[in-house]
Amino acid sequence: GAVVSQHPSRVICKSGTSVKIECRSLDFQATTMFWYRQFPKKSLMLMATSNEGSKATYEQGVEKDKFLINHASLTLSTLTVTSAHPEDSSFYICSASSGGRTDTQYFGPGTRLTVL
Amino acid sequence: EDKVVQSPLSLVVHEGDTVTLNCSYEVTNFRSLLWYKQEKKAPTFLFMLTSSGIEKKSGRLSSILDKKELSSILNITATQTGDSAIYLCARSSNYKLTFGKGTLLTVNP
Repeated sequence: GAVVSQHPSRVICKSGTSVKIECRSLDFQATTMFWYRQFPKKSLMLMATSNEGSKATYEQGVEKDKFLINHASLTLSTLTVTSAHPEDSSFYICSASSGGRTDTQYFGPGTRLTVL
Repeated sequence: EDKVVQSPLSLVVHEGDTVTLNCSYEVTNFRSLLWYKQEKKAPTFLFMLTSSGIEKKSGRLSSILDKKELSSILNITATQTGDSAIYLCARSSNYKLTFGKGTLLTVNP
């Protein structure tokens, strides 16, 4: 149980284009999903928290107009990197929580974004 | 100041050795302490420790939360090459996780 998928696993795009990453909870309803970013040899940095049906809450320093998050259902959240630039190249990981009193988050396999 | 500090940053051992990984955390709004294992992709959940559950064990892995010292340890006994990974400690506050930098464990045959 507690499986989270991400798609695509790897994407290469040209500078200026937009990229959408999907995160799905496969066997549970995720009231809250989280988006992280991880640079090489660095830890996970939380970008934003999204609750189903409401606007995402972004961490300090994360541009909400650049990283658009939609949490349209209890099993799907999307992150769109708009007008991507090479400095946006990173490993993006989502996680999902069933909410309630649990703090446990289950992570997707991640998406490697390379912007040329 | 980092809210979650892990040590050592890296560790190399031989198969069969026992290792202890350390994590210290800030107490403000603390809810729980989680351990994850990260291999090539995203982290996989190992343990969650709270005030009401300060010791967890699963096979060769075990973890203890020391509320007085604001720290936690992750023990791995009889290590195997498959234990090689980055072990991440995360502190939960307001349902958000703050991760430490991780400990890179390498287990050599």
